[in-house]
Amino acid sequence: DAGITQSPRHKVTETGTPVTLRCHQTENHRYMYWYRQDPGHGLRLIHYSYGVKDTDKGEVSDGYSVSRSKTEDFLLTLESATSSQTSVYFCAISALDNSPLHFGNGTRLTVT
Amino acid sequence: GNSVTQMEGPVTLSEEAFLTINCTYTATGYPSLFWYVQYPGEGLQLLLKATKADDKGSNKGFEATYRKETTSFHLEKGSVQVSDSAVYFCALSASATGTASKLTFGTGTRLQVTL
Repeated sequence: DAGITQSPRHKVTETGTPVTLRCHQTENHRYMYWYRQDPGHGLRLIHYSYGVKDTDKGEVSDGYSVSRSKTEDFLLTLESATSSQTSVYFCAISALDNSPLHFGNGTRLTVT
Repeated sequence: GNSVTQMEGPVTLSEEAFLTINCTYTATGYPSLFWYVQYPGEGLQLLLKATKADDKGSNKGFEATYRKETTSFHLEKGSVQVSDSAVYFCALSASATGTASKLTFGTGTRLQVTL
């Protein structure tokens, strides 16, 4: 593993509640990413970060926000969870531009 | 925009059979191409990559050749094992130099290998 820890690993929450997922890396990599994985869609990019306090949107960013206050931590927040956000969320990191991504083991989120 | 199309699964093979998983792509410019593998309950792991036309990526007996003329990057293995059972994802990165590696993934192909 590339030193990536996602927490929690599993979470069940109710519609309308806020949820924060955490990604922690020990590799000191510059780039960090949040993807969601859904059947029939593969993985889709939610947000990514290219440095502390530097973030940008991916293709499915609506309903999500992110923050990166330290190199090692990248937080994904669902301000008001909806059932359509039930998914498996993966954090990934990369050291250099255009280098391969290394993935965490995922967080399974269920919104009831 | 960029897109990746993979063959539908699941693919079921007997051990020692030959494997091909098709992948074609649409992208602007000259993307880098990747195959990732996901074992149950785990995140994705890089299996192999190719960064320019005619490059062949290889790892653990798997191979894929970057074919620009057919916009394809098919995954092959000569003799599969039960331990190869997993979901395989084809992906591309068309990011410019100096920017993040924003990958576009295919939908994944589940491979099941039986004795």
